[in-house]
Amino acid sequence: AQSVTQPDIHITVSEGASLELRCNYSYGATPYLFWYVQSPGQGLQLLLKYFSGDTLVQGIKGFEAEFKRSQSSFNLRKPSVHWSDAAEYFCAVGDAQAGTALIFGKGTTLSVSS
Amino acid sequence: NAGVTQTPKFQVLKTGQSMTLQCAQDMNHEYMSWYRQDPGMGLRLIHYSVGAGITDQGEVPNGYNVSRSTTEDFPLRLLSAAPSQTSVYFCASSYRGSTDTQYFGPGTRLTVL
Repeated sequence: AQSVTQPDIHITVSEGASLELRCNYSYGATPYLFWYVQSPGQGLQLLLKYFSGDTLVQGIKGFEAEFKRSQSSFNLRKPSVHWSDAAEYFCAVGDAQAGTALIFGKGTTLSVSS
Repeated sequence: NAGVTQTPKFQVLKTGQSMTLQCAQDMNHEYMSWYRQDPGMGLRLIHYSVGAGITDQGEVPNGYNVSRSTTEDFPLRLLSAAPSQTSVYFCASSYRGSTDTQYFGPGTRLTVL
């Protein structure tokens, strides 16, 4: 069964600094990978997703993620963080096999300092 | 489109009571799922459905029941509420399943005393 690990529980970044959130997955075939963001008191919103093709994917709000098969990673990056990026970020992995579920990591909370 | 709607937004139950959390979507999605979110635990899958009449268990199904009689609705039933079920519950839907973008409802915050 697939699994997702987000090693960092909480990260604090200064406004304007770059950001990288880590995500490692365990899966036998080519996974379907997602990053979602949850603002306080809100539901989850998709940032970006990877299915195949170019390993660097662009998302909304200036985020990007790079798929590295050799490292089983799908890290999320942003060149310059804004205070409004403070939120909880979840990595998730899906399975192309019919009838299977989407599995989430435990999340990383991002705080932005001024 | 209303997207994914959940009712109620907040609920307080006493131990042993039963209740149903409602989830509906108007996007004609085949795949629907229920997650619970607890601090430090991320989102854990409770039950999911790949179409009307088809449901399956997720990671934490005990104490919960689901059915899918229509494409639009996917209610989650708590059979006999326990304090361990205090959580925020999210319903999600997608067109094709776990490989597709999930659309989440706003959540239901449940407290069991």
